[in-house]
Amino acid sequence: SQTIHQWPATLVQPVGSPLSLECTVEGTSNPNLYWYRQAAGRGLQLLFYSVGIGQISSEVPQNLSASRPQDRQFILSSKKLLLSDSGFYLCAWSWTGGSTNEKLFFGSGTQLSVL
Amino acid sequence: KNQVEQSPQSLIILEGKNCTLQCNYTVSPFSNLRWYKQDTGRGPVSLTIMTFSENTKSNGRYTATLDADTKQSSLHITASQLSDSASYICVVRDRVSGGYNKLIFGAGTRLAVHP
Repeated sequence: SQTIHQWPATLVQPVGSPLSLECTVEGTSNPNLYWYRQAAGRGLQLLFYSVGIGQISSEVPQNLSASRPQDRQFILSSKKLLLSDSGFYLCAWSWTGGSTNEKLFFGSGTQLSVL
Repeated sequence: KNQVEQSPQSLIILEGKNCTLQCNYTVSPFSNLRWYKQDTGRGPVSLTIMTFSENTKSNGRYTATLDADTKQSSLHITASQLSDSASYICVVRDRVSGGYNKLIFGAGTRLAVHP
C-alpha cells in the first residue's frame, strides 16, 4: 500500500530564517507530487507540482521554492522566511497518467509559524 | 474567475442528526467534483468523486449529489457521529485540454457534532 510522510508536524521559525519541509511517498513509482498551502478560512492553494525528477512547476510567485531530488521525495524550501509564509503546508501525491478522476492523497501537514 | 463557494461556513448539530452541506461552483469547463473530509491539523481525505454525468454518490453515511446544470453540489451526512466533526471541503477539477488539470478548493464547512 502507498503511504505519504511529511515532516515536521509543527515548526516555529524567526523571520529571515531558512526553511526546509520534506515529503516522501512509499509504495509507488513516479507519482505526481504537490505542495499546497492552507490559510485560515481559505481554500487550499497549489504552490508547486511535479510530474518527475527535477520537473517543478510553480503556480504562484512567492518566496518559496521546491525541488524533487529523487522520484518519491519532494522538498519545499525558502532562503528567508517572511511573516506571510505562515500557514498549514500540505504535501500530496497522485497516480501518474491516471484518469482525471484520480484521487489526491495528502500528507498530515506542517503547521508553520513565522514570528 | 473559477470559484468554489461553500455554505454554511460552520455548523453545529447534535449527535444522531442529519445535515446537508452546500457547494456552488462557477468552474467551467468542469471535469469532476470531489468532497474531502479534513480533521483539525490533518490532511484532507477523499470522500467522493463525481463526474458531470453522475447525480449522486455514496460513501457509507456520506451521500454527495451533483446538479451540473445549476453548478451545485451537496454533501448529506446521515445519523451524525462525534467523529464526523471536521471540515468538509468541496473541490472542483477544471477541465483543460492538455497540461495539468487544476483543482479549485472551497474554503470548507466546519462541522461540529455535539453529544
